Amino acid sequence: DAGVIQSPRHEVTEMGQEVTLRCKPISGHNSLFWYRQTMMRGLELLIYFNNNVPIDDSGMPEDRFSAKMPNASFSTLKIQPSEPRDSAVYFCASSRSSGGTGELFFGEGSRLTVL
Amino acid sequence: QQQVKQSPQSLIVQKGGISIINCAYENTAFDYFPWYQQFPGKGPALLIAIRPDVSEKKEGRFTISFNKSAKQFSLHIMDSQPGDSATYFCAATGGGTYKYIFGTGTRLKVLA
Repeated sequence: DAGVIQSPRHEVTEMGQEVTLRCKPISGHNSLFWYRQTMMRGLELLIYFNNNVPIDDSGMPEDRFSAKMPNASFSTLKIQPSEPRDSAVYFCASSRSSGGTGELFFGEGSRLTVL
Repeated sequence: QQQVKQSPQSLIVQKGGISIINCAYENTAFDYFPWYQQFPGKGPALLIAIRPDVSEKKEGRFTISFNKSAKQFSLHIMDSQPGDSATYFCAATGGGTYKYIFGTGTRLKVLA
């Protein structure tokens, strides 16, 4: 069974450009999370979807960030316009449980570098 | 009240030694405490988890010790191997919340 699939694995872009990160969760999982990982701040939860509905986006840093989940098998995280401080590894994770105690399955991440 | 404090930040252990990583939480409503292991270039993966109704859980060389009264839990890696070199994150969740609160991570290096 395939795990969480993220693309692209690496993205280098220039400040001001739009960045779109993609995620395919594990089939049958009803919860999807986007995390950002940096050395300074560790793993930060950006947004949480349950059954394709955004439940909590309080971790989204600014209006430049947006996320969508049009169906159960696809989600995107978009940054527009991108800034150098957005450089980080972005992880998508999915879970079978919506109650908070299910195992989180992480993708391999998308490493974003904004010049 | 949502923090999980993890220490040490980094750890170097000789092959065959014991690695110990500690975490402390504040929210007494948490009822699920997983440890995640992350290798360079990979996403975190669940290593072992415990619920507060037990004080210890062992899986192979990995043991979680849980102290509910002190609100602390720790990961012990027995007979540490170079292949255990990774970053370890503790986390806490539950009590009706979907949010995992992650510790800041411990970078473990096991010397051959």
